[in-house]
Amino acid sequence: QSVLTQPPSAPGTPGQSVTISCSGSSSNIGSHDVYWFQQLPGTAPKLLIYKNHQRPSGVPDRFSGSKSGTSASLAISALRSEDEADYSCAAWDVSLSVWVFGGGTKVTVL
Amino acid sequence: QVQLLQSGAEVRKPGASVKVSCKTSGYTFTDYAIQWVRQAPGQRLEWMGWITTATGDTRYSRDFQGRLTIMTDTSASTAYMELSSLRSEDTAMYYCARGVEEIVLMVDSYYYYYYMDVWGKGTTVTISS
Repeated sequence: QSVLTQPPSAPGTPGQSVTISCSGSSSNIGSHDVYWFQQLPGTAPKLLIYKNHQRPSGVPDRFSGSKSGTSASLAISALRSEDEADYSCAAWDVSLSVWVFGGGTKVTVL
Repeated sequence: QVQLLQSGAEVRKPGASVKVSCKTSGYTFTDYAIQWVRQAPGQRLEWMGWITTATGDTRYSRDFQGRLTIMTDTSASTAYMELSSLRSEDTAMYYCARGVEEIVLMVDSYYYYYYMDVWGKGTTVTISS
């Protein structure tokens, strides 16, 4: 399966901002919306961003998403300790007819 | 509120099958698809397939073709995932997720997929001899 590429880690201090990148190809990010999921330690994924930049009800506006070409980004501003989690990007891949996921980026609040 | 309640942990021997249930509540079952995604220890999420609950139509990842069956009991608002010919590499957490339809318009046609908006808590499946 084709996969999306994310950095494995993104450290930050409280109050800072961190940005996580997600790189794909023309058959996934280049032609479809990007979704971001947050996985707190030992829990199921939770939809954080949908359709590139939309936030589900209840997600703070400290979380924002963007997309350009075959890459996407998730930004977390005013970092808080409860933001420590794994963040994964995902997109539908039209060539493979599967969802492809990034490997996850672990955000650590120092 | 919307909830997806999954069945408990399972242990199977190589070559056996496992069936995991996903009981939904808080919404009209047939208005959304159900998808299955798994995550092996320390690995990325891996999409397995979906079922369009209104019609029973299924789509499976080629990686599971022939081994995976997704089905529903509409009267019980419950979806099931059955994986056969299990091997050690199938040891993972298995999640069901509600699927929201996205339609992609092309010049002279269209296709659709579902994105995952609400997830179950997961079911651990361990394959061990």
